[in-house]
Amino acid sequence: AQSVTQLGSHVSVSEGALVLLRCNYSSSVPPYLFWYVQYPNQGLQLLLKYTTGATLVKGINGFEAEFKKSETSFHLTKPSAHMSDAAEYFCAVSIGGTSYGKLTFGQGTILTVHP
Amino acid sequence: GAVVSQHPSWVICKSGTSVKIECRSLDFQATTMFWYRQFPKQSLMLMATSNEGSKATYEQGVEKDKFLINHASLTLSTLTVTSAHPEDSSFYICSAEGIQREQFFGPGTRLTVL
Repeated sequence: AQSVTQLGSHVSVSEGALVLLRCNYSSSVPPYLFWYVQYPNQGLQLLLKYTTGATLVKGINGFEAEFKKSETSFHLTKPSAHMSDAAEYFCAVSIGGTSYGKLTFGQGTILTVHP
Repeated sequence: GAVVSQHPSWVICKSGTSVKIECRSLDFQATTMFWYRQFPKQSLMLMATSNEGSKATYEQGVEKDKFLINHASLTLSTLTVTSAHPEDSSFYICSAEGIQREQFFGPGTRLTVL
């Protein structure tokens, strides 16, 4: 079984500041890791994913995340926050194979960006 | 990009009635769809995997007789909450799997059972 923990249900940053959203996971097999963003009244949208290969993954809207096996982490970062980044962010894990699409989600982090 | 719709977006029903929620992939075919539920301030929890033309696979603890799933075509899966009770009130979200196994999520359906 796998699980995901997102540290901080709310994160607030100033426009132009670094965004750091934390995600730790547990999995008995090599995980596939995902970050999704959800804007109000919309479905979850994939920001980026790690399956295999390079551990630093770049996604849309300037976000990136680094898979650190030793720390069981997959933190999401963006160098400079924009007002449009305000949304709820979910980290998720799957075990791949036939269960690739069966996602276990963290509790979500609401990002607020102040002018 | 790929779009998944859900209907209705919100529904209020009386206790004991059944409610059907539709999940449609609008511009692609999905042999596999997933149903999640989300309680307030909690994470999405996978309920079941819906495969076109076959029976759904339910996660542990999910009552298959209460949450009926039908995946009758490559673009439509339905979730029926039978004999709904107030504790079934939740946000129900579906995802459809694209050809490259990417998950596309619907906007969700908020169910309130009175």
